[in-house]
This record gives sequence, structure tokens and C-alpha cells, in this order.
Amino acid sequence: DTAVSQTPKYLVTQMGNDKSIKCEQNLGHDTMYWYKQDSKKFLKIMFSYNNKELIINETVPNRFSPKSPDKAHLNLHINSLELGDSAVYFCASSADTGGNTIYFGEGSWLTVV
Amino acid sequence: GESVGLHLPTLSVQEGDNSIINCAYSNSASDYFIWYKQESGKGPQFIIDIRSNMDKRQGQRVTVLLNKTVKHLSLQIAATQPGDSAVYFCAENNRGGGNKLTFGTGTQLKVEL
Repeated sequence: DTAVSQTPKYLVTQMGNDKSIKCEQNLGHDTMYWYKQDSKKFLKIMFSYNNKELIINETVPNRFSPKSPDKAHLNLHINSLELGDSAVYFCASSADTGGNTIYFGEGSWLTVV
Repeated sequence: GESVGLHLPTLSVQEGDNSIINCAYSNSASDYFIWYKQESGKGPQFIIDIRSNMDKRQGQRVTVLLNKTVKHLSLQIAATQPGDSAVYFCAENNRGGGNKLTFGTGTQLKVEL
């Protein structure tokens, strides 16, 4: 069983489109995250949610809107996609926000053309 | 061999040799540190962690050393194997910051047969 699973794995879309990436964790964790990895492999946090409540929002454009219907799911919706949004997006989870190990999904490769 | 993870440098080692990957962290308030391994096309995978009240921790074939005085972290891999080839990231965490991981830029480890 995959602990943190995200779909789709690959997504190619045109500029201006709206797309979503879904994430689910079966670890029973309270906290979930979205990270972005750019072409230079640099990983940076975008958002974190704890029990469906937004905890961290790292100055991400308003076009990015996370949604957490329950603590096992954290989806990422992106409006009006731009070329610069092309990256790998990683979902992750941890038991809580108290300095616990963060486990990552396998990534979603987004290419905006 | 040794390397400093600043601009995704490459560390090449012979199979069977020991590898040392270095990392400088920035926040003196960080109290939890993690090493992740990222293979091509996959998400970051937890290797080993260390809390700030320790200066050394050992796992299976891996050892993490923490020097808080100079804000330096290293990962030692004993008897490096081809399966160890990957990008290695150090990450620092300040538990007071909502479990927000700040990643270093990564080091590419290549194991030569």
C-alpha cells in the first residue's frame, strides 16, 4: 500500500488552463503538505494543513488553492496556469506539526506549454 | 569522498568506498534535522534524522553527524553501493514553525562500479 499517493503522476497542459492534483495519505497523519521542486531540484514548501486547517502558506500566488476535505486528503488546485508553474509537486504528510518525520509522495510532474 | 551541498554538486565514489555528504544549515533555532534520498523520478525518501540534543546518530550503513557550533550536518554512507546513487538532501526543521522543513540544495551521489 502506498502511504502518500498523488494523482496524476504526469500532467501536460496549456497556459491558462485550470488543473488539480489530488493527494491522499493512509498513515493516519494529521498534517499534510504540498512542496514544489523546480528544475534545479530545489524543494520548497507551499502549504501545510493540520486537521483540515491551514497552518503554513508560503507566499504562494492566489492561483494556487489547496483544499482539504478531510485530514487524509489535501488537493491542490491551480488556476490560470503559467509556464513558470512547470515543476514537480510533492504531497507529504506527518503525524502532526510537532517536529515529526515528513513522508513524501512520488510526485506529480506538471508541464505547462 | 566528500562534498558540500551548495549547487547540486556531484560526488562520485567507487563501489565499496565510504561517502560523506556535507550540508550547512542556516537557522540556529532549528532543532530537528533529516536526510532524504531522492532517486530519479521518485519522491524524497527518509533516511535518518537527528535532534539538536545529539551530535551523532547511526543507522544501517548511515551515520549523521551534527555540529551545532558551525551549523553543519553530514551524512556518512559506509560501503557505498550502486543502489545508493541518488540526490541527497539535508533538511532542517524548527518545531516552533509548524513542522516546516527547509531543504538544502542537494548533492548528487554517483556510485561507480
